[in-house]
Amino acid sequence: DAKTTQPPSMDCAEGRAANLPCNHSTISGNEYVYWYRQIHSQGPQYIIHGLKNNETNEMASLIITEDRKSSTLILPHATLRDTAVYYCIVGSSNTGKLIFGQGTTLQVKP
Amino acid sequence: NAGVTQTPKFQVLKTGQSMTLQCAQDMNHNSMYWYRQDPGMGLRLIYYSASEGTTDKGEVPNGYNVSRLNKREFSLRLESAAPSQTSVYFCASTRRGALATSETQYFGPGTRLLVL
Repeated sequence: DAKTTQPPSMDCAEGRAANLPCNHSTISGNEYVYWYRQIHSQGPQYIIHGLKNNETNEMASLIITEDRKSSTLILPHATLRDTAVYYCIVGSSNTGKLIFGQGTTLQVKP
Repeated sequence: NAGVTQTPKFQVLKTGQSMTLQCAQDMNHNSMYWYRQDPGMGLRLIYYSASEGTTDKGEVPNGYNVSRLNKREFSLRLESAAPSQTSVYFCASTRRGALATSETQYFGPGTRLLVL
């Protein structure tokens, strides 16, 4: 399973876009990029995932580089409730295993 | 739908005691997972069950056993608890299937375990 690298922490002003980067240089062809977040000590919550193309849903956008070695999660208008730990995960579709890293702690400030 | 449920929510054990953490999902999912999360750390996969009747080790399986009782239930057993197993345990499930290309995981609320 490919590993991911994320900055340990980031700040973002409320109402502004939060751009969370992730490096996954060893990703293989059948592996997806997933983003989850964890608020306080709750169970992780799915945000978005993608394989090659950029993706958008009601929560966020996912931009994957053409070589698939990195990606960026975009929260278009961050709110205080978006303060959480964000995990970028590369997962195999064969097993469904998700290997979590340390994640990025996003602090949204008023 | 209740989603993924876990019992108990909290538990205190003494070193050497045994216990079973229960997990159930009502979404007719095929695959289920057990993770542990230590303070300030990400989740680590203990065991997973890709389908009913199968189980496989994850990153940190030592000291644990699992049972996929049926499609709905996946239990995690600590035979002889140790202080190093103090953690928050999360169960998750995902639909998956023969034609699945990618699936998201749904997590339970967690079980907080303290081993003295």
